[in-house]
Amino acid sequence: KQEVTQIPAALSVPEGENLVLNCSFTDSAIYNLQWFRQDPGKGLTSLLLIQSSQREQTSGRLNASLDKSSGRSTLYIAASQPGDSATYLCAVRPQGGSEKLVFGKGTKLTVNP
Amino acid sequence: DGGITQSPKYLFRKEGQNVTLSCEQNLNHDAMYWYRQDPGQGLRLIYYSQIVNDFQKGDIAEGYSVSREKKESFPLTVTSAQKNPTAFYLCASSTGTGSYGYTFGSGTRLTVV
Repeated sequence: KQEVTQIPAALSVPEGENLVLNCSFTDSAIYNLQWFRQDPGKGLTSLLLIQSSQREQTSGRLNASLDKSSGRSTLYIAASQPGDSATYLCAVRPQGGSEKLVFGKGTKLTVNP
Repeated sequence: DGGITQSPKYLFRKEGQNVTLSCEQNLNHDAMYWYRQDPGQGLRLIYYSQIVNDFQKGDIAEGYSVSREKKESFPLTVTSAQKNPTAFYLCASSTGTGSYGYTFGSGTRLTVV
């Protein structure tokens, strides 16, 4: 059974710092991995989608990497801003079976001015 | 703009009542999903539908029902059999299977009064 773990559960950093959020998964048979952002009381906003054949994806100050063989992904946020404060969730789409997304529990990020 | 619309944003239910949460998408996606989110528990799948007139139970389907009469719509009914319905409910959609990502709505917060 696929399991997704995100470490740390919470992170507090000063504004301007570069930071890395970690995501690990137990089964490398995936189609893709997706990073989402969730603000309090809001839905999920997709940040980056990495296909299993890709090593990384970039969008603005965000860079996500994928090492499928080791079951790991990282989300790198450059020059963090208070507006980056949110919960970040990663999810994998397994190959086979029902192919439903499997989510981690998220990392709550606070960027202090 | 294409997207997923969930309504209402807030919903209050009295004990013993059934309530229906609406989810509509104009993305022409085949698959739609309902998740429940509780603090500290992450997202849990309630029901999903991969084609019109067909749906499957997820991990926590008891006390819930769905229908999929149109491709664009996937309403969720929270029945009186659901003993602890207070939660944040998220609807999502995806283009078929495989390498496509998910798109989420903005959520409905249901509270039992």
